[in-house]
Amino acid sequence: EDQVTQSPEALRLQEGESSSLNCSYTVSGLRGLFWYRQDPGKGPEFLFTLYSAGEEKEKERLKATLTKKESFLHITAPKPEDSATYLCAVQVNFNKFYFGSGTKLNVKP
Amino acid sequence: DAEITQSPRHKITETGRQVTLACHQTWNHNNMFWYRQDLGHGLRLIHYSYGVHDTNKGEVSDGYSVSRSNTEDLPLTLESAASSQTSVYFCASSDLTGGFGETQYFGPGTRLLVL
Repeated sequence: EDQVTQSPEALRLQEGESSSLNCSYTVSGLRGLFWYRQDPGKGPEFLFTLYSAGEEKEKERLKATLTKKESFLHITAPKPEDSATYLCAVQVNFNKFYFGSGTKLNVKP
Repeated sequence: DAEITQSPRHKITETGRQVTLACHQTWNHNNMFWYRQDLGHGLRLIHYSYGVHDTNKGEVSDGYSVSRSNTEDLPLTLESAASSQTSVYFCASSDLTGGFGETQYFGPGTRLLVL
């Protein structure tokens, strides 16, 4: 059964304290893995798409990596404005997208 | 700037009533999707469309319907609202890329409460 699991469910960091969020998946035929940021009361905002194992992408303090079984979202020296819920999703077919439940990140000043 | 909008942003209705949620995108994307988001479940696909007059059922389609008469709009209808349909609903759109890495862009969401 296709499945996407994110961990931890919630993460509290001090400003400047780097860490990683995990997205593990068990799917047949990955066509793309996506990271989104979601602020309270808003829709998910696209961050990255990864296609194949070994691929990495960066944007400001965020770096996403992909292996055959999981993806990591590394946050370097986070700031309070990085506080949000981070969602992971996989596409396995034209019409099959599976989202994880998200990791709620809280960065304290 | 291209965008995707949803209306209403908040809706309260009663059990058994028909409700329609609007979604409008100006990206000129072929693909449009409806999701619901509930605590502990993540986003779950309700219906999707790959073009005008095309509609398909997603993972949780029971009690919902959609129709696509133009590129810009995909309204979601709850035929007879039930309390289990209380949720936050998101519309999304993406460009056609042959089924690979179809990045979806989301609207701001509609919060629906069924009493």
